[in-house]
Amino acid sequence: EAGVAQSPRYKIIEKRQSVAFWCNPISGHATLYWYQQILGQGPKLLIQFQNNGVVDDSQLPKDRFSAERLKGVDSTLKIQPAKLEDSAVYLCASSLVGRDEQYFGPGTRLTVT
Amino acid sequence: KQEVTQIPAALSVPEGENLVLNCSFTDSAIYNLQWFRQDPGKGLTSLLLIQSSQREQTSGRLNASLDKSSGRSTLYIAASQPGDSATYLCAVWLIRSYIPTFGRGTSLIVHP
Repeated sequence: EAGVAQSPRYKIIEKRQSVAFWCNPISGHATLYWYQQILGQGPKLLIQFQNNGVVDDSQLPKDRFSAERLKGVDSTLKIQPAKLEDSAVYLCASSLVGRDEQYFGPGTRLTVT
Repeated sequence: KQEVTQIPAALSVPEGENLVLNCSFTDSAIYNLQWFRQDPGKGLTSLLLIQSSQREQTSGRLNASLDKSSGRSTLYIAASQPGDSATYLCAVWLIRSYIPTFGRGTSLIVHP
């Protein structure tokens, strides 16, 4: 069974630029999550999708972050414009249903200079 | 607001020791609790998931227990091996929320 795929693995941008991350969940998993993990901390949930609908995005900074999950499969997370404090690892995870066992991708390490 | 604390923050032990990692949480109205492992530069791997109605779960050399009344979970690793070296995180989901709260993790080094 293929795992959760993410790209790119690494990204370096300057502040005020924009960036997009892509995630392909495990086939058949209805729930998809985007997390932000700052160095030395646990992951923080940004947004959770159930199929192509949003379950919770209360912790997503909507003035600069956006996410979509077209057709209930792949998802993209965008930051525009980026700030220095956005430097982190962005993790995508999926599960069969919400609050079930989660499977994580390798993450995208973002550095904003 | 749920707070999750993991103690110790770091642990270095010789191979073969039995280990106990602790996770405490402030709100006991939990839906479930999960233990994860994170290797450097990689994503998280789910180790054990304990539903709120369960007291413990076991997988191989790992055993996780849950005591909701005291707001604690422990992860027991038997006969530790160098390959167990990683950061171990616990995450708690409340009944009324889909947002998990993660601890900061315990960084474990098992040396030969």
